[in-house]
Amino acid sequence: DIVMTQSPDSLAVSLGERATINCKSSQNVLYSSSNKNSLAWYQQKPGQPPKLIIYWASTRESGVPDRFSGSGSGTDFTLTISSLQAEDVAVYYCQQYYNIPRTFGQGTKVEIK
Amino acid sequence: EVQLVESGGGLVQPGGSLRLSCAASGFTFSIYSMNWVRQAPGKGLEWVSYINSVNIIYYADSVKGRFTISRDNAKNSLYLQMNSLKDEDTAIYYCATSSGHFDYWGQGTLVTVSS
Repeated sequence: DIVMTQSPDSLAVSLGERATINCKSSQNVLYSSSNKNSLAWYQQKPGQPPKLIIYWASTRESGVPDRFSGSGSGTDFTLTISSLQAEDVAVYYCQQYYNIPRTFGQGTKVEIK
Repeated sequence: EVQLVESGGGLVQPGGSLRLSCAASGFTFSIYSMNWVRQAPGKGLEWVSYINSVNIIYYADSVKGRFTISRDNAKNSLYLQMNSLKDEDTAIYYCATSSGHFDYWGQGTLVTVSS
């Protein structure tokens, strides 16, 4: 199984400041044939289901604000919130879909400082 | 608008059974791969099972041999038959569409396994 490890487990950022979450996979999730990384990011607010925000490591889902961006390739990935807003308080998860079983990171809780 | 509505959760004793349902609307259900993903109280996300449009099926090792996923395209519905339930199966169970990543999620149904 591919193990996904996020860091940090939690972070507190001031409104308007940058938040950065890292995700490392235990093996490569890059499809060489398509040059696409099978890596997604989800946002989960309290009492709600997760919401897809980034897929193929860097493609923003429709309707997601452009302050959210994803980067990285191979085994190391980053989710960046360029200017944190109050509504971004949530737990963020990375997930690989390179193979079965699909696996998630443990989650990173983002709060306001 | 895509809608996924789970039902069938509840309190069950260890060793018992439950059948979860997920009613889908707003998209062509028959051509989509579907999944069950669960979340234990206060914990992270765990993929449980997958079924695609031609009934290719996968399970997480933690549920293999105990859970059965199925779909009824005529009813636009996804199911999860859960047998031999254990305390550690206590979780919110979400159904989700997937094209690898999980595009749309239902609100979930809570399964509590306790004596």
